[in-house]
Amino acid sequence: GAGVSQSPSNKVTEKGKDVELRCDPISGHTALYWYRQSLGQGLEFLIYFQGNSAPDKSGLPSDRFSAERTGGSVSTLTIQRTQQEDSAVYLCASSRGQIWGYTFGSGTRLTVV
Amino acid sequence: AQKITQTQPGMFVQEKEAVTLDCTYDTSDQSYGLFWYKQPSSGEMIFLIYQGSYDEQNATEGRYSLNFQKARKSANLVISASQLGDSAMYFCAMREGLLISSGSARQLTFGSGTQLTVLP
Repeated sequence: GAGVSQSPSNKVTEKGKDVELRCDPISGHTALYWYRQSLGQGLEFLIYFQGNSAPDKSGLPSDRFSAERTGGSVSTLTIQRTQQEDSAVYLCASSRGQIWGYTFGSGTRLTVV
Repeated sequence: AQKITQTQPGMFVQEKEAVTLDCTYDTSDQSYGLFWYKQPSSGEMIFLIYQGSYDEQNATEGRYSLNFQKARKSANLVISASQLGDSAMYFCAMREGLLISSGSARQLTFGSGTQLTVLP
């Protein structure tokens, strides 16, 4: 597609439920990144993919968080047993390579009640 | 230690004036890239400008320019002739180790941001 697409745009879930967030990057972008932005805060790195592999998943905050990417394209971020502190905007971005900036999606606003 | 430091949580500027948003960074890599992004209240992240560590000239993109002082490890964003639509959060970011391996694109590390308000 023309841009990075994220779905859903908003998600309200009950504490303890699992959620899946989806990111569809720009076609041909080999690198894909997930960030989390809590209210009024900067961007916290979660994980990045080069193709289907994840060379750096150091930012995942706990083992409740996991992500995968298939076909070098769509990525899914899964949060199991959600907690209230997981409430944030989850941003996905893709990039053509090292010297290029990111193109961000519009994010998924997750609210855990 | 913080890799990217933005010391101005909030800034105000009068419409049509220039404003400088500060950013300092910390890296031991020789090859790195510096980026600025704008995030309006709608939430999207908009890429503004890029400076490579080996670039000899300061980057410019329209009304945006990057005042790159390598020895001081600063990469300040200058916005000339501010407009009301420039009111937003601005993030400085860095990608380290650009030349470590081909095909491997490391993540950007972001600063905490500066909220810019342009006054009419």
